[in-house]
Amino acid sequence: DADVTQTPRNRITKTGKRIMLECSQTKGHDRMYWYRQDPGLGLQLIYYSFDVKDINKGEISDGYSVSRQAQAKFSLSLESAIPNQTALYFCATSDLRGASNQPQHFGDGTRLSIL
Amino acid sequence: AQTVTQSQPEMSVQEAETVTLSCTYDTSENNYYLFWYKQPPSRQMILVIRQEAYKQQNATENRFSVNFQKAAKSFSLKISDSQLGDTAMYFCAFMIPGGSEKLVFGKGTKLTVNP
Repeated sequence: DADVTQTPRNRITKTGKRIMLECSQTKGHDRMYWYRQDPGLGLQLIYYSFDVKDINKGEISDGYSVSRQAQAKFSLSLESAIPNQTALYFCATSDLRGASNQPQHFGDGTRLSIL
Repeated sequence: AQTVTQSQPEMSVQEAETVTLSCTYDTSENNYYLFWYKQPPSRQMILVIRQEAYKQQNATENRFSVNFQKAAKSFSLKISDSQLGDTAMYFCAFMIPGGSEKLVFGKGTKLTVNP
């Protein structure tokens, strides 16, 4: 079983719809991140959370919101989806207790298409 | 602002040969961590290798090694004895400890290993 699980794997929806992408992890990590990947642009940080009571905006948070329901769960919502939010979305986790060089572990991504 | 530049959008190499992927970065920080991630067509983000900026010795992981030049802010990846399974997008990233500890990614290099 994957350590970081993202659902759904793929999603096609229409402009204006509310969408939730979910991420759960079994690694016991404190830190969780949501990134967005656009073709030719690498990954950009949307939101991050260091624990259940800690939520922080990343560099491209406009149009998105998140919820850290538990240490293991971190969901990303698009309140009213628009076509330029079509992208590949990644959830990642890392261990707060380890050295800072501990790598982030990524889920398999959710490909979201907004028509 | 911290940035990562990968100047080679695409590269190709023959199976069993050696290839080097380039990466430069810009930061005013002295303490940071560098990573190379691989993204095969399956779209997973897989850690290839990591380097602590305070270590002069270049990191190696089996067929993968880096040439870290701190003064030049350069962090290239060398893949020896290339295999067909090395075909993927390769992303260079760095992280500054403290704060968000987000990964800052380059735009990636698409590597194709030819039989």
